[in-house]
Amino acid sequence: QIQLVQSGPELKKPGESVKISCKASGYTFTDYAMHWVKQAPGKGLKWMGWINTYTGKPTYADDFKGRFVFSLEASASTANLQISNLKNEDTATYFCAREWWNNFDYWGQGVMVTVSS
Amino acid sequence: EIVLTQSPTTMAASPGEKVTITCRASSSVSYMHWYQQKPGASPKPWIYDTSKLASGVPNRFSGSGSGTSYSLTISSMETEDTATYYCQQWSSNSPITFGSGTKLEIK
Repeated sequence: QIQLVQSGPELKKPGESVKISCKASGYTFTDYAMHWVKQAPGKGLKWMGWINTYTGKPTYADDFKGRFVFSLEASASTANLQISNLKNEDTATYFCAREWWNNFDYWGQGVMVTVSS
Repeated sequence: EIVLTQSPTTMAASPGEKVTITCRASSSVSYMHWYQQKPGASPKPWIYDTSKLASGVPNRFSGSGSGTSYSLTISSMETEDTATYYCQQWSSNSPITFGSGTKLEIK
């Protein structure tokens, strides 16, 4: 069955970096784009951007340009999100989600990233 | 960017009651998609392409709309429908956006 399994929770200090992963299984990884979605505590969903899993080209939403990097380990069917120079406002749960015809048909379980001094 | 405005923000419905959640877009969109999210869980695809139910979604749910106005309807509220529902669009020349969510509770 199709699964997106994300890495575990992270506790970081301001200014540090974090890399979270999303491992896909049960389908051909390069056939579907992967998106990233942020959900701050008690808040709604915010789209961060996506990565073309065939070409590796990332596209970032305006609010996520600069400190955020999407990457792939295609041989491992894994998409990664790296956030550098972490700020308190980066505290959130980050989801990966598989795109299917302009919407998302499978989601990872989410990774809670806590930024605190 | 197309802004999606959901209403109501929060609502409570009695078992058996009909529920309608609306999602208004700041510009016309071709399709609307809906997700259900329960506390501590990831969003689940619920309705796609405006009116198609995702796998496993009970048929008391339905979706409709066009242009700038879309809705999700539950014909008869059940306890298990308690959740937050989000609409989402991705139209050409606009980034993906989500509505701010509608929290639905049981009375």
